[in-house]
Amino acid sequence: GENVEQHPSTLSVQEGDSAVIKCTYSDSASNYFPWYKQELGKGPQLIIDIRSNVGEKKDQRIAVTLNKTAKHFSLHITETQPEDSAVYFCASTDKLIFGTGTRLQVFP
Amino acid sequence: GAGVSQSPRYKVAKRGQDVALRCDPISGHVSLFWYQQALGQGPEFLTYFQNEAQLDKSGLPSDRFFAERPEGSVSTLKIQRTQQEDSAVYLCASSLLGISAGGQGYTFGSGTRLTVV
Repeated sequence: GENVEQHPSTLSVQEGDSAVIKCTYSDSASNYFPWYKQELGKGPQLIIDIRSNVGEKKDQRIAVTLNKTAKHFSLHITETQPEDSAVYFCASTDKLIFGTGTRLQVFP
Repeated sequence: GAGVSQSPRYKVAKRGQDVALRCDPISGHVSLFWYQQALGQGPEFLTYFQNEAQLDKSGLPSDRFFAERPEGSVSTLKIQRTQQEDSAVYLCASSLLGISAGGQGYTFGSGTRLTVV
């Protein structure tokens, strides 16, 4: 079955810096790659997604890139703010196979 | 409703006890998913419903786990004879379209935290 690896597991940045989280997947048939943000005590919230026919997608300070050949996709957050602090999960396939998560801390 | 609602928010069960977890999806949403999230881990897929049909239950860890969605709206996840390894947050998600429409944004509830003692 599909396997998704995510790194780093923790990431600390200064407010205003950029943060990058990377994922790799195993199933070459996967064609949907969302990113979720999870705050303490809450369910995951979709922040951005990308489909296999697109290489990059941007929404304000958040961007996702996809390299289907290498089976890599990445989340880029620019101009980080303290409220960006949370756990971020990548996922793939229609029924969502999640990565292990990245705890992002943004220090003011 | 405005979002996906799950109840109870917290559940403590004695080992061997049966539990039932409820999910109220967004009204009109066709797809409903259940996930299990262990502490410090990503959510793991359990099962998927399209309306009242359970189309995929490949993630259910054992035959002690059972899910239903009899009228295509509210869903219940039942765990029989709970064991300590069942302790986790159980998340429900729904989406407007069926899974055959391709990947789409799923709305998650806040989950039920189950602790088996």
